[in-house]
Amino acid sequence: QVQLVESGGGVVQPGGSLRLSCAASGFTFSSYGMHWVRQAPGKGLEWVAFIRYDGSNKYYADSVKGRFTISRDNSKNTLYLQMNSLRAEDTAVYYCAKEGTGTTVDFDYWGQGTLVTVSS
Amino acid sequence: QSVLTQPPSVSGAPGQRVTISCTGSSSNIGAGYDVHWYQQLPGTAPKLLIYGNSNRPSGVPDRFSGSKSGTSASLAITGLQAEDEADYYCQSYDSSLSGSKVVFGGGTKLTVL
Repeated sequence: QVQLVESGGGVVQPGGSLRLSCAASGFTFSSYGMHWVRQAPGKGLEWVAFIRYDGSNKYYADSVKGRFTISRDNSKNTLYLQMNSLRAEDTAVYYCAKEGTGTTVDFDYWGQGTLVTVSS
Repeated sequence: QSVLTQPPSVSGAPGQRVTISCTGSSSNIGAGYDVHWYQQLPGTAPKLLIYGNSNRPSGVPDRFSGSKSGTSASLAITGLQAEDEADYYCQSYDSSLSGSKVVFGGGTKLTVL
């Protein structure tokens, strides 16, 4: 069965950095694009970033462009999100999600999420 | 302000039918992009409920159905059960002169009375 397990969340000061990881199992990781989606406390879902199956292309939401970097290591079945210059508004639960097979972008499996709190 | 508009809340009694709307525009739903729906039970991660407007992943009860027309989509839940109480999100894709991006609705909280 597909499993996605995020780690690396925690409390960080404004302007600081954090790297999230997402360990994948139960499917051929190197064949699928992967996303990060976040959810601020008590708020809705916001797409953050996407990386193609082979890492050849990466896409970001305007709100994180230039500050966050998505990457993957297919030999380790692991997805990453490097977050720099963190702001209070980046406080959220961060989910990694596997791309689905639909013609329009969708997310067919999600991890349990990891909480990032940006606060002084 | 979400690109896709959902009612903040809906409610229904057990056994009843409820619908949740998702209104977009000509740059997303109206442009032909599919709509997907996610269910988020309290304290858990979202789960894919409907994909490609009206398709159910394996394991999703047929009490859940989706439809799309023009610039809007709807999720219908029949035979409402207590365990259906959750937040529901629609999702699509938006492409305009300002760029392309994945978009979500603001979410709808379903209360089972």
